[in-house]
Amino acid sequence: GENVEQHPSTLSVQEGDSAVIKCTYSDSASNYFPWYKQELGKGPQLIIDIRSNVGEKKDQRIAVTLNKTAKHFSLHITETQPEDSAVYFCAATSQTGANNLFFGTGTRLTVIP
Amino acid sequence: NAGVTQTPKFQVLKTGQSMTLQCAQDMNHEYMSWYRQDPGMGLRLIHYSVGAGITDQGEVPNGYNVSRSTTEDFPLRLLSAAPSQTSVYFCASSYSEGINSPLHFGNGTRLTVT
Repeated sequence: GENVEQHPSTLSVQEGDSAVIKCTYSDSASNYFPWYKQELGKGPQLIIDIRSNVGEKKDQRIAVTLNKTAKHFSLHITETQPEDSAVYFCAATSQTGANNLFFGTGTRLTVIP
Repeated sequence: NAGVTQTPKFQVLKTGQSMTLQCAQDMNHEYMSWYRQDPGMGLRLIHYSVGAGITDQGEVPNGYNVSRSTTEDFPLRLLSAAPSQTSVYFCASSYSEGINSPLHFGNGTRLTVT
C-alpha cells in the first residue's frame, strides 16, 4: 500500500514568516494529494488539494507544489498568522480508491505572535 | 446542516466490552468512512462504504465491524474491546468516492480501553 512520510513533525515560526511542510509518497499510482488542517478537539478540515496533472496550486496565502518524478509534495503558507497554528496533515490516494486516503503523521505548526 | 455528527465524544471501556460508535451525516453523501488517529501515526482507514448496503475494509479493519443500512448512518462496532483500540476515531463522508468530492470529517470520539 501507499506510504506517506511528512516532515517536520513540529514547526515554529514568527508571525508574518513563511512555513513549509514536506511530504513524500511511495506509490507512483497516487494522483490526488489533499492537505488537512486539524484544530484542537476538531476533525481534520480540507484546506487545499492538488491532482497529479498539476504542478502547483494557490489559494490566497496557501500553496501546494507537486513533483511527480521525485514523489514529493509540499505545503507553503505565507504571511503566517496566529490562527494558522494547528496540526497539518498531508495525504495521498490513487484514482481507484480516491477517498480512501493515506495520511502523513502530521506537523504541529505554531505561529508565534 | 449539522454535517457529520459523531457520538459519544468520549468513552471509557473495559477490555472485552463491546460498544458502537455512532456516525450520522445530513448531507446526502454516498461515501462514508472511519479512521483512527494515534499519536505519531496520522489517520488510518478502518472501513468505508460507497453507498447503503455496501461496505469494505480499509488499512486496519481487524477488531471492527460496520454496516450501512441507510445513507445517513455508518456505525462502527467494537465487539470485544482491547487496549490497542485506545484511539481517537473519526468518521468522514463525501458526496461520492471520486477525487472531486472533498471529505468532511466529524469531531471525533476519544475511546480509552482499560
